[in-house]
Amino acid sequence: GQNIDQPTEMTATEGAIVQINCTYQTSGFNGLFWYQQHAGEAPTFLSYNVLDGLEEKGRFSSFLSRSKGYSYLLLKELQMKDSASYLCAVMDSNYQLIWGAGTKLIIKP
Amino acid sequence: NAGVTQTPKFRILKIGQSMTLQCTQDMNHNYMYWYRQDPGMGLKLIYYSVGAGITDKGEVPNGYNVSRSTTEDFPLRLELAAPSQTSVYFCASGTRENQPQHFGDGTRLSIL
Repeated sequence: GQNIDQPTEMTATEGAIVQINCTYQTSGFNGLFWYQQHAGEAPTFLSYNVLDGLEEKGRFSSFLSRSKGYSYLLLKELQMKDSASYLCAVMDSNYQLIWGAGTKLIIKP
Repeated sequence: NAGVTQTPKFRILKIGQSMTLQCTQDMNHNYMYWYRQDPGMGLKLIYYSVGAGITDKGEVPNGYNVSRSTTEDFPLRLELAAPSQTSVYFCASGTRENQPQHFGDGTRLSIL
C-alpha cells in the first residue's frame, strides 16, 4: 500500500528553527509537495521537490532524497503565525496526490 | 480575484437526504479535485477532472457523484447521505497534474 508518515505534533520556540520530517512509500514518484494549513482554513502551497536536494524559499526550505523516500521542511526564524499544520503529499505514478495526516506545529513565545 | 469558491460553508443533513456541494474557480484551470479531510487523517481524493466533460474516480468515490459541464464548475453530489460522510470537503484546482493545487475554503458537512 501507499503510505506517508509525519510526526503528529511538534513544539518549537519563537525565533528558533524546526525541521518537520516526512517519509513515504508510494507506487511511483512524480514529486513531493508541502502545504501549510491553519486551523479551520484551506491548505496553501509551500514548496515542491521533484529532484534530490534542497529548495530554499525565504524562511522555508524543503529537502528531498528519493533514494531514501524522505523529505523535510525546515522553518527558520519561527514566528507565532507559523503555528499551523504542515502537510506532506507525494504524487504517485498515476499523478494523484497521496497525503500525510499532517504535523501540527505549536509555537511558544 | 476569487480563486476557488465553495458553497455552502456549513451544512447539517439528515441520514438519507441528498445535496450538492458547489465549487467554482475563476482561474481557467483545467484540473479540478474534490477531497475529504477527516480528523487525524490525510486528505482523500474523491473525484477529479482534467477538463470539461471528463471526470474520474479517486481513492474514495463511493457515495458521491460529480459532473464537469464547464471549465469553471465542478459540483459534488451526495445522493443518500450517511454518517460516514461527515467530513470537511475541499475543492481544489490546478493547471497541470504536477503543479500546485489551489484550495477553496471548504464545506463542513455533518450528517445526523
